[in-house]
Amino acid sequence: SQQGEEDPQALSIQEGENATMNCSYKTSINNLQWYRQNSGRGLVHLILIRSNEREKHSGRLRVTLDTSKKSSSLLITASRAADTASYFCATHFSNSGYALNFGKGTSLLVTP
Amino acid sequence: DTGVSQDPRHKITKRGQNVTFRCDPISEHNRLYWYRQTLGQGPEFLTYFQNEAQLEKSRLLSDRFSAERPKGSFSTLEIQRTEQGDSAMYLCASIHRDRGTDTQYFGPGTRLTVL
Repeated sequence: SQQGEEDPQALSIQEGENATMNCSYKTSINNLQWYRQNSGRGLVHLILIRSNEREKHSGRLRVTLDTSKKSSSLLITASRAADTASYFCATHFSNSGYALNFGKGTSLLVTP
Repeated sequence: DTGVSQDPRHKITKRGQNVTFRCDPISEHNRLYWYRQTLGQGPEFLTYFQNEAQLEKSRLLSDRFSAERPKGSFSTLEIQRTEQGDSAMYLCASIHRDRGTDTQYFGPGTRLTVL
């Protein structure tokens, strides 16, 4: 079964606004990753946060992790139309050779 | 471009036909994964290879599915006797696990439509 649940399922904002999406997961983790997918294409890795980290930044991205609540959030600041995509959080299966277990994703639409 | 390529990008087939997809990972990556993604869902793990050895298959991989990675480089995924429920995006990803990184590099996917 899919590990994570992203919230909201869909988000529509205007350019320049911030976008926040949340992810909840079920089992203990070593790390959590966020990926982006543009209009039915492959996934691109955005950022990885380890279980002993609480916050991480990469450019306009900020990720937080709360292992006590089994949740993570991805914040995109000063959004651009090019940020329009689906965003997925992923954790590793406990077995299956570090295969990723993805949530259902948040579909983000950024309008000019 | 992540360096992982997949071929074909799109495949339309009739129910009952066999199809084969190819994935070329980043050359030095020793681990390769296949995922399936249906509309509105996240990718779901199908199987993975460590070099040429197929080490795990998920329960999603029915008997009609077979995957190979003959020389530990490219991989193929074959679906026999396709069904409409097989319509999905098939993604592959690769990683050099021995380098201690957990980031997977995904190909653009093969979109399969079964009529």
